[in-house]
Amino acid sequence: GENVEQHPSTLSVQEGDSAVIKCTYSDSASNYFPWYKQELGKRPQLIIDIRSNVGEKKDQRIAVTLNKTAKHFSLHITETQPEDSAVYFCAATYSGGYQKVTFGTGTKLQVIP
Amino acid sequence: NAGVTQTPKFQVLKTGQSMTLQCAQDMNHEYMSWYRQDPGMGLRLIHYSVGAGITDQGEVPNGYNVSRSTTEDFPLRLLSAAPSQTSVYFCASSYGGPGDGYTFGSGTRLTVV
Repeated sequence: GENVEQHPSTLSVQEGDSAVIKCTYSDSASNYFPWYKQELGKRPQLIIDIRSNVGEKKDQRIAVTLNKTAKHFSLHITETQPEDSAVYFCAATYSGGYQKVTFGTGTKLQVIP
Repeated sequence: NAGVTQTPKFQVLKTGQSMTLQCAQDMNHEYMSWYRQDPGMGLRLIHYSVGAGITDQGEVPNGYNVSRSTTEDFPLRLLSAAPSQTSVYFCASSYGGPGDGYTFGSGTRLTVV
């Protein structure tokens, strides 16, 4: 089955700096890679995703990059703000059928004002 | 739309008791899943369903049962609660499958004493 590793487990940055979270996956068949943000005490929410036919995707201050050869993908947050403080989860799955979604263990991001 | 609704939000059980965690969605999503979230372990898949009448096991299915008699509802049953099942449980759904991204419920915090 798929195995997703996520690093770092915790990350502290100064407000305005950039943050990068990295994930690696094991199953070369995986082709859909979403990222979820979970604020304290709340439900995870999808913030951005990328499919294997695309190398990079941006949405305002967040971007995701994918390297299929190396089997890793990363979340980039620029100009971080205190409201970016949360736990971020990466995930991987094959979207061509009803496959299981495997999550990383999460990264707790703290943005220091 | 209410989205994904989970009940109850909090529950305390004694070891050996049984209970059902409820999950309902009003978005006509075919794909529904149950996850448990434990500190440092991310989101682990318990069971999932690709449509009414079809369920399958995830990563940590032992001690849990599911059924899917309608598209809207996907209850999770704890057969004989154990302290190891103390966790936060999330129900999630997506329209066509895992490649569509999840909508999560607000979670159930379960404590087994």
